[in-house]
Amino acid sequence: AQSVTQLDSQVPVFEEAPVELRCNYSSSVSVYLFWYVQYPNQGLQLLLKYLSGSTLVKGINGFEAEFNKSQTSFHLRKPSVHISDTAEYFCAVSEDDYKLSFGAGTTVTVRA
Amino acid sequence: KAGVTQTPRYLIKTRGQQVTLSCSPISGHRSVSWYQQTPGQGLQFLFEYFSETQRNKGNFPGRFSGRQFSNSRSEMNVSTLELGDSALYLCASSPSGQSYEQYFGPGTRLTVT
Repeated sequence: AQSVTQLDSQVPVFEEAPVELRCNYSSSVSVYLFWYVQYPNQGLQLLLKYLSGSTLVKGINGFEAEFNKSQTSFHLRKPSVHISDTAEYFCAVSEDDYKLSFGAGTTVTVRA
Repeated sequence: KAGVTQTPRYLIKTRGQQVTLSCSPISGHRSVSWYQQTPGQGLQFLFEYFSETQRNKGNFPGRFSGRQFSNSRSEMNVSTLELGDSALYLCASSPSGQSYEQYFGPGTRLTVT
């Protein structure tokens, strides 16, 4: 069974600064990897996903993530954040192709 | 295309009651999955339906059930509500059930008092 660990529960960051959200997973098989964002009182929106191929994945809103198989990590980065990036971010994995297993989430607060 | 819709958006129920939540998938999608989101347990998979059949089920008690209709709309039911059932219930649709093609709705916020 897989598990997902998001290493930071809260990340405060200033506007226009870079941000990195860390995600590690444990699984004995190949997995699909995802990052979702959740704004207050809304559902989950997919930022990006890794299925196979290039380990650097680019997503929406300027986000990117890098898959590192040896370190079983899938960290999310954005070079310059905006106030509108304030939200909760979830890392997720899927090893059985039908369900997602989520991390506990990281709350990003962007300050002016 | 319209996105996934969930009704109602907010619901307040009393312990011991039952509740039914509804999810309408994106047009053409045949799979609907349900997730529960709570502050303590996070996001957890409940079950997945495809073509009116439950294909996969998470680790939840039998009080949680669901069904899917021929138009792919899905309902989930929780009987004998407990305080711990207070949560955001999210539904996700996909064309054929693959995890990498799931699109989430806005959720139903259930409060049990």
